[in-house]
Amino acid sequence: DAGITQSPRHKVTETGTPVTLRCHQTENHRYMYWYRQDPGHGLRLIHYSYGVKDTDKGEVSDGYSVSRSKTEDFLLTLESATSSQTSVYFCAISEASRGYNSPLHFGNGTRLTVT
Amino acid sequence: GDSVTQMEGPVTLSEEAFLTINCTYTATGYPSLFWYVQYPGEGLQLLLKATKADDKGSNKGFEATYRKETTSFHLEKGSVQVSDSAVYFCALSDGAGGTSYGKLTFGQGTILTVHP
Repeated sequence: DAGITQSPRHKVTETGTPVTLRCHQTENHRYMYWYRQDPGHGLRLIHYSYGVKDTDKGEVSDGYSVSRSKTEDFLLTLESATSSQTSVYFCAISEASRGYNSPLHFGNGTRLTVT
Repeated sequence: GDSVTQMEGPVTLSEEAFLTINCTYTATGYPSLFWYVQYPGEGLQLLLKATKADDKGSNKGFEATYRKETTSFHLEKGSVQVSDSAVYFCALSDGAGGTSYGKLTFGQGTILTVHP
């Protein structure tokens, strides 16, 4: 299994508070991604990174920011959490060396509840 | 933009039944196609993939053929087991390269439950 650790695994927070989710990889892969999973929507891309300090927006980036100061860590921040951000968040990494057909490897997810 | 549509679920089958989960896509260019599986409490795992038209991906008894003419990538298995109970996701990668690298567009997922 790819070495991907997400923390925390579960989080309950109140509306309006900031929240940071962490993804840590031990594979030294260049590409990292944050997805959210919601019933009826599958997985939707929030942000992704193609290198240290190189990030870009996905299809559902509003209300989220990311940072990548080291190859192994990719942080997702909700500046002011809202109930619509209650979801399961997945980090994924990609093996750049095998070309664009390379599969994504996923962490086990963080379940976030905003009350 | 790119999109993936999966058949509505959930799907409930008896053990040893034949499984089909339909997947169709809309994309520009020449996407690669994937099936991922998610077991309870876990992240997604790659099940199989196909990178060009008429390719057949296969793994663990599951198969899917990349049909460009019908823009489809249906998942099949001849005889399902209780252990196949999971959520199945169809996905595509636009293959544009550069900074588009690796981004996947997912279908909504299909819940499969197999009873003994």
